[in-house]
Amino acid sequence: DAGITQSPRHKVTETGTPVTLRCHQTENHRYMYWYRQDPGHGLRLIHYSYGVKDTDKGEVSDGYSVSRSKTEDFLLTLESATSSQTSVYFCAISDGGVQPQHFGDGTRLSIL
Amino acid sequence: TQLLEQSPQFLSIQEGENLTVYCNSSSVFSSLQWYRQEPGEGPVLLVTVVTGGEVKKLKRLTFQFGDARKDSSLHITAAQPGDTGLYLCARNNAGNMLTFGGGTRLMVKP
Repeated sequence: DAGITQSPRHKVTETGTPVTLRCHQTENHRYMYWYRQDPGHGLRLIHYSYGVKDTDKGEVSDGYSVSRSKTEDFLLTLESATSSQTSVYFCAISDGGVQPQHFGDGTRLSIL
Repeated sequence: TQLLEQSPQFLSIQEGENLTVYCNSSSVFSSLQWYRQEPGEGPVLLVTVVTGGEVKKLKRLTFQFGDARKDSSLHITAAQPGDTGLYLCARNNAGNMLTFGGGTRLMVKP
């Protein structure tokens, strides 16, 4: 893998609780992304970052917030988790342009 | 967000058969990437195509980018069980973002 670690790898929680997922990279890439993957939808972009403290919304950002206080870490927070946010979440990193995105191994999140 | 449609969604074939997976859009895109994903892992890049009409080969995999840059295909010759996985196409958008197709889940039976 391209030096990307997602934590936790699995989490089960209850509706209404806050949840934070962490993505850590050792590649010093500028861009970091959070996606969710659901059956029949491929990967959909939630939020992305183009530098420290620089973030923007993706296609499915409602109910999610992100923070990037240093190059290597990108956090995804569900302020009040709902069952519709049950999914597999992937973090990716990139140097931008037509460079490939390198993905972590995902976090499987179940919200009961 | 421009839609990217992949077909078929599912494909189950016997070892040794050939197959083609399609990725189509109603709009032109600057470049397209193909990824392969195995269970429990993230997608891994196979190839990037940039020029209309471009053909790239990766062992038994052949990737084509349509002349009009609205479509792409992935052809696998003599499929093997190790080719089993989810194949995803993704177009590059402004702002260094990718839009993914829904994926083609391939199963190759021995």
